[in-house]
This record gives sequence, structure tokens and C-alpha cells, in this order.
Amino acid sequence: GENVEQHPSTLSVQEGDSAVIKCTYSDSASNYFPWYKQELGKRPQLIIDIRSNVGEKKDQRIAVTLNKTAKHFSLHITETQPEDSAVYFCAAGSRWYNTDKLIFGTGTRLQVFP
Amino acid sequence: GAVVSQHPSRVICKSGTSVKIECRSLDFQATTMFWYRQFPKQSLMLMATSNEGSKATYEQGVEKDKFLINHASLTLSTLTVTSAHPEDSSFYICSAETGLLSYEQYFGPGTRLTVT
Repeated sequence: GENVEQHPSTLSVQEGDSAVIKCTYSDSASNYFPWYKQELGKRPQLIIDIRSNVGEKKDQRIAVTLNKTAKHFSLHITETQPEDSAVYFCAAGSRWYNTDKLIFGTGTRLQVFP
Repeated sequence: GAVVSQHPSRVICKSGTSVKIECRSLDFQATTMFWYRQFPKQSLMLMATSNEGSKATYEQGVEKDKFLINHASLTLSTLTVTSAHPEDSSFYICSAETGLLSYEQYFGPGTRLTVT
């Protein structure tokens, strides 16, 4: 079945440094790739997404890149701040019958130290 | 916009009883809602897809008779955990598609179920 792998599982950086999280997916039909941020005990929040017709997208300190040939996509956070600390999930979306289904990665726990 | 609520936020029940969790889209109509389960420090596992006016589609390995889903209106889907057991204890989260753009899902705040 569909699978999304995410690395690393934990990531610690110093405030101001950059953080990169990588995901690979198995379903070549996937064409939507969102990233969610989840703080402890709270709901996942969509922070950025990219569609298969675009190779890169940026929103202030956050950027996502997509390589459809290699079936991998990455989240880049620059100038990290302590409030960026959370668990980040990537997901790959594809059409399944009449439903748009997301398959989530295993998550990356990001810690930003002041 | 795109606010999703869930009720209750926490519930403790005794083994063998049933629990109903509600998921509502507050400011939009959601033709499709999704139910996920999340164990501590783990990812979101899709349990089922709920479409308004039709039967839910369950993922492989999810017992449809144990996890009853009803999507009676465009703003409400319910998940009923029947004959709950301690191993059903988990964080249950729903999400809803806005329908404006494909795939975009907005999540509810989750329900923490503890079965004693």
C-alpha cells in the first residue's frame, strides 16, 4: 500500500539555525504534499503545501521543495525560533476512488534551543 | 475560516460501554470528513473516510462494526466506539475538506479517549 517515510525522527537545532525535514512517498499518483505542525496535545495545523505542478514554494521562513522524479519532498525552516519547536508531519495526497486521501509520515520532533 | 470542532475533548469510560465523538465544521460545509487515530508520539493513522449521505469507507484493519461512523449532514460526522476496551484508548482526531481546493484538510482539536 501507500507509504510515506519521514526523516529524521528527532531534530535539535540552535535558535537561528536552519532545519530540514525530508519525506519520500511510494504512490506515484500522489500530487498534493502538505506539511502540518502539531504542538503537544493540540490539533495538526497546516503550515505549507505544494502541488505536483510546482517544484518549490516559499512562505516567509518556511519553504518546501518537491522532486517528483525521485518521489521526495522536503521542508526547510530558516532562522528557527523556540516557538518552532513541535512535531512536524509530512503527507502525500492522492485521489482514491472519489476521495482525496492523505497518507502521513511518521513525524519529526523539532526542538529549537535558545 | 475553516474551523472544525470536536466534542468531547476528553472522555473516560468503562470497558464494554460505547462512546460517541462528534466532529463539526463550523463555518463551511464538508462533504468529506476523515477520522484518524493517534497513539502517543506516533503519526496520524487514517481510520475511515466519511461522506455525507453515504456509508463510510474504512481503512484496512479497521473494524467497521466497532467504529461506527455517521455523516448525517454537511457539517456533522460522528464516530461511535462500541464496546470499548482499554486498547481503544487513544487520541481520535477528525478533519474536514473545505471542498474549495482538493485535499486541503482542517483538523479538529481531537478527543482523548481513556477506557478503564
